[in-house]
Amino acid sequence: GQQVMQIPQYQHVQEGEDFTTYCNSSTTLSNIQWYKQRPGGHPVFLIQLVKSGEVKKQKRLTFQFGEAKKNSSLHITATQTTDVGTYFCAGLGTDSWGKFQFGAGTQVVVTP
Amino acid sequence: KAGVTQTPRYLIKTRGQQVTLSCSPISGHRSVSWYQQTPGQGLQFLFEYFSETQRNKGNFPGRFSGRQFSNSRSEMNVSTLELGDSALYLCASSLADPKGEGYTFGSGTRLTVV
Repeated sequence: GQQVMQIPQYQHVQEGEDFTTYCNSSTTLSNIQWYKQRPGGHPVFLIQLVKSGEVKKQKRLTFQFGEAKKNSSLHITATQTTDVGTYFCAGLGTDSWGKFQFGAGTQVVVTP
Repeated sequence: KAGVTQTPRYLIKTRGQQVTLSCSPISGHRSVSWYQQTPGQGLQFLFEYFSETQRNKGNFPGRFSGRQFSNSRSEMNVSTLELGDSALYLCASSLADPKGEGYTFGSGTRLTVV
């Protein structure tokens, strides 16, 4: 079955630095979504990517969908303490309907 | 608009007991999904209900069950609780097709089994 893997599992970042977290699927995806969960909170929808090679930006966050639609990345520039949390990707397989498969998440810790 | 409401927020149960968790989705959302979250395990999919029918199911034992009512509210039941069932249980609602706006999660019910 479809598996979605995220790397790294943990990311320690110095405030002001950039970092990237990756999401890889064992099968081709039709859609991929990204969520952020703050410590003690619940996941919040950030963005959805649909097209091959698609790139979307939200302020300091850049999301990319791979050309083969089997991987995605989230790049954060000039990390701030507000970026602390766990970032999840969720992929929808081309043969799935209504069920997104969540990755295990990347937990981000920011050091001032 | 009101968010996804989960009740109760916290529960402490004894091993062997059963528990029922409730989720009220956003108005207009007909799909309700349930997830179990434990430290380091991410979001483990339990099941999804749409129009009172279970549309998708994860790989959890039969002790975990759910249902959805005609007003889209959903309940999740866990029977014969085990210590390993201690987790944050999250409910997420969406339009019939979550490809549109993604899932909206509730604040969760934190279940502790002692």
